[in-house]
Amino acid sequence: DADVTQTPRNRITKTGKRIMLECSQTKGHDRMYWYRQDPGLGLRLIYYSFDVKDINKGEISDGYSVSRQAQAKFSLSLESAIPNQTALYFCATSDYNVETQYFGPGTRLLVL
Amino acid sequence: GQQLNQSPQSMFIQEGEDVSMNCTSSSIFNTWLWYKQDPGEGPVLLIALYKAGELTSNGRLTAQFGITRKDSFLNISASIPSDVGIYFCAGLLGAQKLVFGQGTRLTINP
Repeated sequence: DADVTQTPRNRITKTGKRIMLECSQTKGHDRMYWYRQDPGLGLRLIYYSFDVKDINKGEISDGYSVSRQAQAKFSLSLESAIPNQTALYFCATSDYNVETQYFGPGTRLLVL
Repeated sequence: GQQLNQSPQSMFIQEGEDVSMNCTSSSIFNTWLWYKQDPGEGPVLLIALYKAGELTSNGRLTAQFGITRKDSFLNISASIPSDVGIYFCAGLLGAQKLVFGQGTRLTINP
């Protein structure tokens, strides 16, 4: 079984809808991250969390929110989706060695 | 924010050729990393560099931490089909988060 799982793997939604992307991990890591990937822009950090009570904004947090429900779960919400949020979203985890991050398989989101 | 500039953005090579790509920054990083993303998957760490001037190998891959601490290089020797993917450089920012480059997409013709 995969150590970092993301659901759904693909999602199509309409402008203005609220959606949630889920991430679960079995690695026992305290630190979790959400990134988005766009062609030509690489990976950009949206939010990160170092433990259940810790939430930090990343480079591009506007239009997104997160919830760290448990050590193993970190969800990303788009309160009112817009077309420029169409992207590939990755969840990642790490222990205190932030440089070694373990990525999930990604969620491909299309906002119409 | 911090930006890492990778070049080239894409490469089309023949199987067996060597590959070189680099990453530059306007800021100093104390740790440089190279990740690879296989098609349809998330990135995976290939090499971590912790010291200016350091040269580290992982099989056919060799990476160097630039002496100015503002750049890094990745070389792949004798490329094979499974080397196809997107290669990302990353710098460790403040021991808390990674900043990624735009990626270099490698395509190999058999």
